[in-house]
Amino acid sequence: GEDVEQSLFLSVREGDSSVINCTYTDSSSTYLYWYKQEPGAGLQLLTYIFSNMDMKQDQRLTVLLNKKDKHLSLRIADTQTGDSAIYFCAEGPRGYQKVTFGTGTKLQVIP
Amino acid sequence: DAGVTQSPTHLIKTRGQQVTLRCSPISGHKSVSWYQQVLGQGPQFIFQYYEKEERGRGNFPDRFSARQFPNYSSELNVNALLLGDSALYLCASSFINRGGLKRTEAFFGQGTRLTVV
Repeated sequence: GEDVEQSLFLSVREGDSSVINCTYTDSSSTYLYWYKQEPGAGLQLLTYIFSNMDMKQDQRLTVLLNKKDKHLSLRIADTQTGDSAIYFCAEGPRGYQKVTFGTGTKLQVIP
Repeated sequence: DAGVTQSPTHLIKTRGQQVTLRCSPISGHKSVSWYQQVLGQGPQFIFQYYEKEERGRGNFPDRFSARQFPNYSSELNVNALLLGDSALYLCASSFINRGGLKRTEAFFGQGTRLTVV
């Protein structure tokens, strides 16, 4: 079955790098996503990686995928207070929206 | 361009009542999906509609139903509300072309927060 797991909480100092980790179980997933959710808001897609890629970089964001271990990570460089939010890892085929989400990691950025 | 819009933003209902939530997808998007996000958890898939047909259903009871209209907007209906139905209901839309070869990621609305008392 499908299952996505994340640690619940991460605290970093402003300016440091944040690394949020995720493990998934469905090896048939086509895409792996990172979403950001601020308090009282909907989901914002940050980035995604195709399952045959190892890494994707987009400005301050770096996604690493270890297909063997089914491990996905999101690195945020130079973390800012505005990055404080809940980050969801998710897996699923692109466009078809039966996306399976993790429980979310709450990122707290300390000024 | 307008994003995915949902209405209402907040709603309070009593146990046993029925509720209808509405979603308008991004212009040109024909696929709409619904998710339930209980406080402290990740979103759970409820339904997907594409070209007005149900294409997927999550593990939710028959009290949950949905439909998609010719203009691709969608409604989610929940009957006989329970306290446990209190959640943020998210709608997402995406573009899928006729052949299914071109697709976009899902764009989410801000959600409707339903409180059942």
